[in-house]
Amino acid sequence: GAVVSQHPSRVICKSGTSVKIECRSLDFQATTMFWYRQFPKQSLMLMATSNEGSKATYEQGVEKDKFLINHASLTLSTLTVTSAHPEDSSFYICSASSQGAITHGYTFGSGTRLTVV
Amino acid sequence: GIQVEQSPPDLILQEGANSTLRCNFSDSVNNLQWFHQNPWGQLINLFYIPSGTKQNGRLSATTVATERYSLLYISSSQTTDSGVYFCAVGSGGTSYGKLTFGQGTILTVHP
Repeated sequence: GAVVSQHPSRVICKSGTSVKIECRSLDFQATTMFWYRQFPKQSLMLMATSNEGSKATYEQGVEKDKFLINHASLTLSTLTVTSAHPEDSSFYICSASSQGAITHGYTFGSGTRLTVV
Repeated sequence: GIQVEQSPPDLILQEGANSTLRCNFSDSVNNLQWFHQNPWGQLINLFYIPSGTKQNGRLSATTVATERYSLLYISSSQTTDSGVYFCAVGSGGTSYGKLTFGQGTILTVHP
């Protein structure tokens, strides 16, 4: 149980375009999802907390107008990188919480490697 | 916010050796997880262990919450154990809160 699916796994886009990344909880309802970013050889940094039916909460220093988060249903959260630039190239990974998180912790998606050229 | 420190940053072992990875955290936690990140980036959840001791095969973990540290033990290491090991903690008033990650330990196991 507690499977999180993330798509696409890899995307290359041109500078100035927008990219949408999907995070789905496959076998449970996730009222809360989290988006992290990881630069090469670094740790994961939380970008924002996505709450179903309400606005996302962004961490300090993360531009909410650049990283648009939508959590329209209990099984889907999307992250849109708008007007992407090469410095946005990174590994983006989502996680979701469920009732099982109390005993098993959080489950993470497989990540999306974004390259902006 | 809560600080998480992992040690050592790098660890090189010969196959068959045992190792201990440490995670120190600066405040009380209600969630602590150990992850293994494989070469493709996937985070594999090894243990959910905000307190106590757990074992799963060659891996075991212990968290001493009152002293704010956790240890991950790897016995009889194999080359497939190579990768980055992260400790992540959650704090605050709910078990559904965000996780703060340590900087990781890069483990390399040579045949």
